Amino acid sequence: AQSVSQHNHHVILSEAASLELGCNYSYGGTVNLFWYVQYPGQHLQLLLKYFSGDPLVKGIKGFEAEFIKSKFSFNLRKPSVQWSDTAEYFCAVKGNFNKFYFGSGTKLNVKP
Amino acid sequence: DADVTQTPRNRITKTGKRIMLECSQTKGHDRMYWYRQDPGLGLQLIYYSFDVKDINKGEISDGYSVSRQAQAKFSLSLESAIPNQTALYFCATSAASGQPQHFGDGTRLSIL
Repeated sequence: AQSVSQHNHHVILSEAASLELGCNYSYGGTVNLFWYVQYPGQHLQLLLKYFSGDPLVKGIKGFEAEFIKSKFSFNLRKPSVQWSDTAEYFCAVKGNFNKFYFGSGTKLNVKP
Repeated sequence: DADVTQTPRNRITKTGKRIMLECSQTKGHDRMYWYRQDPGLGLQLIYYSFDVKDINKGEISDGYSVSRQAQAKFSLSLESAIPNQTALYFCATSAASGQPQHFGDGTRLSIL
């Protein structure tokens, strides 16, 4: 069965610190990969996506993610976080039968 | 106007009651999904539908049913609500295979 693992459940950073959130998936076929962000009290919004091509994907608000096929990973990064990045971040994979699988989420708390 | 609209936004009800959560979309997408979100568990897929005549069970369909009344409408029902169905419920849509999902604002459901 496909699954998505986010190992960091809660991350606390100071403003301007660099961010990397881990995401690993288990699926041997062709994958479509996504990162979503959920700001407090809001719905999930797409940050970035990977379908094919350049494994380094740039998204909105300065976020990027790198697809490493050999490691089944799709880690999210941002060089310098801001207080407004405080949110919960979800990694997702589109697997068999066009079903989406979400990780359990990582709560990011950025201290001003 | 929101592209994916969920009603109601909040609902408190009692054990044993029948509840319907509604989702409508103006994006013209064929694919619609219902998820529940619980703290620390991320999003779990309840049901999904790729067109009006296609309904599929997700990971946690027990205790739930759905109806795809039209391309734009996908409702979720709890026939006899129980307290462990207390959660935040999201509807989502997507276009073609593998395209990102677009989420509604969620319905916060509390079952006493």
